[in-house]
Amino acid sequence: NAGVTQTPKFRILKIGQSMTLQCTQDMNHNYMYWYRQDPGMGLKLIYYSVGAGITDKGEVPNGYNVSRSTTEDFPLRLELAAPSQTSVYFCASSYGRAAKNIQYFGAGTRLSVL
Amino acid sequence: GESVGLHLPTLSVQEGDNSIINCAYSNSASDYFIWYKQESGKGPQFIIDIRSNMDKRQGQRVTVLLNKTVKHLSLQIAATQPGDSAVYFCAENYGGSQGNLIFGKGTKLSVKP
Repeated sequence: NAGVTQTPKFRILKIGQSMTLQCTQDMNHNYMYWYRQDPGMGLKLIYYSVGAGITDKGEVPNGYNVSRSTTEDFPLRLELAAPSQTSVYFCASSYGRAAKNIQYFGAGTRLSVL
Repeated sequence: GESVGLHLPTLSVQEGDNSIINCAYSNSASDYFIWYKQESGKGPQFIIDIRSNMDKRQGQRVTVLLNKTVKHLSLQIAATQPGDSAVYFCAENYGGSQGNLIFGKGTKLSVKP
């Protein structure tokens, strides 16, 4: 059982480039989330989705976009990369609402924007 | 406890001792709390959770205590092992339409052999 899988594990971008961080889960979870983690800081919610076709902003959505066309996949798009987006990105999923259900995390994507 | 700036608070314990990691949460209306463990280079891993109608919950070698009066959460690890070395995060649900979680900055636990 793979759980939550993120690709790539590492990426270096130049300022202004675009990329998509991939996330897929095989637990048939309805809820999926994207977080960023800066050094020495807790996780900040970027976007979340409560099911296919439904997404909503989290605490720090600026500079990012998401889509949820299937239950399994929840890609995160960076359109014009900026140095402030250098971070570690984690995707997570849960069966139900975050407040009542355990979130399961992927291994993360470490992104550097230079 | 919670960190300020870029430096995580660090707890250093001897192998075999008990560890206590503390967390102050922000919202008195939060009704669900969760502890995660994050090893270097990995994603957070669920340890234990507790709902606000409980004061204590036990798992395997871990106990979570909740003091709603002072908005304080603690994680106790019994007989700490080298494999317990990691950063530990607490999280609370802050309500809202989806009840999303707010994560603390974390505490680094180092276990000395």
